[in-house]
Amino acid sequence: DADVTQTPRNRITKTGKRIMLECSQTKGHDRMYWYRQDPGLGLRLIYYSFDVKDINKGEISDGYSVSRQAQAKFSLSLESAIPNQTALYFCATSDTGSTGELFFGEGSRLTVL
Amino acid sequence: QKEVEQNSGPLSVPEGAIASLNCTYSDRVSQSFFWYRQYSGKSPELIMSIYSNGDKEDGRFTAQLNKASQYVSLLIRDSQPSDSATYLCAVNIINDMRFGAGTRLTVKP
Repeated sequence: DADVTQTPRNRITKTGKRIMLECSQTKGHDRMYWYRQDPGLGLRLIYYSFDVKDINKGEISDGYSVSRQAQAKFSLSLESAIPNQTALYFCATSDTGSTGELFFGEGSRLTVL
Repeated sequence: QKEVEQNSGPLSVPEGAIASLNCTYSDRVSQSFFWYRQYSGKSPELIMSIYSNGDKEDGRFTAQLNKASQYVSLLIRDSQPSDSATYLCAVNIINDMRFGAGTRLTVKP
C-alpha cells in the first residue's frame, strides 16, 4: 500500500458542486501539503499544515479550504467547483526537521464541467 | 519573473548521451534545492537534493548549485530510455517548496 493515499483518484463533477479530496499518510510525518498541477505551470501550493492545529495558505488558496482532522489526515475542499479548478491534485508530506524532501500521493484528477 | 524557472523543452538526447537540465530561481534566501522526476501520469519522486555550492554526484546523476548566480542544474550521464520523463526543479523558500514548470526529457534509443 502507498504511504500517502489520496481518494478519489478520479472525479468528474459539475460547476457549483462541493468536492472533497482526502489524503491519509502512514509515514508519521507532521507536515502535509496540497498542490495542484496544470500543464505548463508545474506544481503550485494550495495549503499546507505543519501540525494538527496549524493551517497556512499557499500561493493559490482562493476557492479552496482544508481541514487537518488528525496527524495522518488532510483534506482539501472545493466549496463551489468551477471549470478552471480542473487539474491534477497532489497531497504530499514531509518530516519536521528534514531538509524539505516531499513524499507525494498518487494524485487525484479532478474535472469540473 | 517566476520564482523558479526551467526550460520547458522538450529536450531530446540519444541513448548514452549526457542530458543537461537547467533551473534558475529568484529568491536569494533559498537554502535547499531539489530535482524531482515525474513519469507521465505518475507522482513526482525525488532524485537529487543539494544544499551547498558545487557538485553533488549520485550514480549517473550530478546536481550543480551556484548560489551567486541563483542557478541549479542536473546532469544525467549515459542517458537511458527509462530516463524519459519530466524533471521538476524545486526550491525550498522559507516554509514551502516552489516548483518550476518542469522540463520534458526524451531519450531516444
